[in-house]
Amino acid sequence: AQKITQTQPGMFVQEKEAVTLDCTYDTSDPSYGLFWYKQPSSGEMIFLIYQGSYDQQNATEGRYSLNFQKARKSANLVISASQLGDSAMYFCAMRDGRDDKIIFGKGTRLHILP
Amino acid sequence: DSGVTQTPKHLITATGQRVTLRCSPRSGDLSVYWYQQSLDQGLQFLIQYYNGEERAKGNILERFSAQQFPDLHSELNLSSLELGDSALYFCASSVAGDGNEKLFFGSGTQLSVL
Repeated sequence: AQKITQTQPGMFVQEKEAVTLDCTYDTSDPSYGLFWYKQPSSGEMIFLIYQGSYDQQNATEGRYSLNFQKARKSANLVISASQLGDSAMYFCAMRDGRDDKIIFGKGTRLHILP
Repeated sequence: DSGVTQTPKHLITATGQRVTLRCSPRSGDLSVYWYQQSLDQGLQFLIQYYNGEERAKGNILERFSAQQFPDLHSELNLSSLELGDSALYFCASSVAGDGNEKLFFGSGTQLSVL
């Protein structure tokens, strides 16, 4: 069965430092997609970045990059030069090729310190 | 603004009651997903519809039901409500619901069961 694990319930990082949020996944399907979403205190869910299982290169979107290590089944989110506005809950999610549901990890709450 | 509209934003009701949550997907999106977010369970996938048909089912309780109408809006019906059903209910949409399209989330309906 599909599974997404985020082992860091909370993190505190100094402003302007880089941040790595961990995500590991489990699926038996060779075709899958991995997503990261941000949920600020206002509650909305904001899409950040996507990585397909067959993509040759790690995905990047501005200050966000996804460190995709297929053999280790990890898809860590890297935020470069963190900003105060990055303080939020971050969710890793996965869809595999067998069905269309997208499942989410329990999230990591990131606090950026001034 | 994601383009996904959820109503109502807040709902307060009593145990044993029935409520209906409504979702209008982004224009052109055929697929609708429902998620339940509670503090201890994270984001739980409930159900997905594509162009009026149920496509994938998660851990949705028998007391809960959903449907997608010909105009593509969707409703989530929750009946015989219990205190534990208090949560933030999200609707999300995507164009086709397959492949690896990102989901666009509504702002959610906060349900409080007293």
